[in-house]
Amino acid sequence: DGGITQSPKYLFRKEGQNVTLSCEQNLNHDAMYWYRQDPGQGLRLIYYSQIVNDFQKGDIAEGYSVSREKKESFPLTVTSAQKNPTAFYLCASSIFQGLSDTQYFGPGTRLTVL
Amino acid sequence: AQSVTQLGSHVSVSEGALVLLRCNYSSSVPPYLFWYVQYPNQGLQLLLKYTTGATLVKGINGFEAEFKKSETSFHLTKPSAHMSDAAEYFCAVSPQGAQKLVFGQGTRLTINP
Repeated sequence: DGGITQSPKYLFRKEGQNVTLSCEQNLNHDAMYWYRQDPGQGLRLIYYSQIVNDFQKGDIAEGYSVSREKKESFPLTVTSAQKNPTAFYLCASSIFQGLSDTQYFGPGTRLTVL
Repeated sequence: AQSVTQLGSHVSVSEGALVLLRCNYSSSVPPYLFWYVQYPNQGLQLLLKYTTGATLVKGINGFEAEFKKSETSFHLTKPSAHMSDAAEYFCAVSPQGAQKLVFGQGTRLTINP
């Protein structure tokens, strides 16, 4: 089945530790995105990538880093510099055609900092 | 900058009643408009989207939305609510030519039996 997978579904981290969230897609999409979701705030864009080996900061990139070495993979690292990392993280992808591309979402990873 | 406002963080309706979820956007140029649904602890699923053409857009699960440029609105409706419609709904806009989505804060829909 084609789709987007995120792992793990639940992740616990101690303060001061970096943690990497996985996102893989087999839809052959060019563009990939990371969002953070907090209650009552909707989704906020962290980073996005339109092509391999290139990515741009979104609205809340501080304390996060990404890489895009392969078209199908876009891992997100939550660093110790992120002051409030507990949240639900969603990965998405879309065909990059420059028009009204639909973004398709993965099932999400819930990160809790202990 | 684009912004999206969803009126009402929580809407409650009876089963079989009309569902109306409100969305207004701020933009001088009509953007592309989307409605997504999210069930608990899951990702988002596209319900419908408006790009150009007919202003009344039909989506999945019996939902539809109407783009009204004069009111900068894109409200979501369903004639008869079903228990399975209970979820959180997000309105989003994408400025023409941009690859980013700007989301509203979401509306949680509860269906009363």
